[in-house]
Amino acid sequence: EIVLTQSPGTLSLSPGERATLSCRASQSLSSNYLAWYQQKPGQAPRLLIYGASSRATGIPDRFSGSGSGTDFTLTISRLEPEDFAVYYCQQYGSSLRTFGQGTKVEIK
Amino acid sequence: EVQLVQSGAEVKKPGESLKISCKGSGYSFSRYWIVWVRQMPGKGLEWMGIIYPGDSDARYSPSFQGHVTISAGTSTSTAYLQWNSLQASDTAMYYCARTLSTWDHDAFEIWGQGTMVTVSS
Repeated sequence: EIVLTQSPGTLSLSPGERATLSCRASQSLSSNYLAWYQQKPGQAPRLLIYGASSRATGIPDRFSGSGSGTDFTLTISRLEPEDFAVYYCQQYGSSLRTFGQGTKVEIK
Repeated sequence: EVQLVQSGAEVKKPGESLKISCKGSGYSFSRYWIVWVRQMPGKGLEWMGIIYPGDSDARYSPSFQGHVTISAGTSTSTAYLQWNSLQASDTAMYYCARTLSTWDHDAFEIWGQGTMVTVSS
């Protein structure tokens, strides 16, 4: 099983600031099969990034993904009020897909 | 519009059986993989398994193998998640989602609204 470890657990920032979220895999991900999702309270997750760096349809360009191998990053360039949520990374290259434990981005 | 619509919330007793559903529309249901994801109260996301509706090829996470059954019907464009004997620890929100492409190793693009299952005596 590929374990994904996200850090930090909670990120306290103000609107307009830059957010940098990390996701580390226990082994190298084939073809960068890494996705990021946003989940707000009471809502289903929403796909933000796939293939480590490709934005999903309709996702604003303030969201960007980077990384390869075992280290991946989700960056939100300037936080908007609607961006405060929980973010999960997920790998889909192995037969057992796994999620990270999540990073909560909260208003400081 | 491409969407997945899940069945409503359920309240069951331990030992009871349950089948929840996920109906797809706006796309060719048989050609895209459907996954099920569990989210226990206040916790993160867990991948349960995946099915290809076209031929009902289903694969499970070892954590859920033998405890749930994933199935699908192409005539109704509906996927199902079934338990034969519920436990209190099955209390959770269950989401279905569709893969981004017709390949199984892909991200989950379209999500259902979730079905809350509560198991309590």
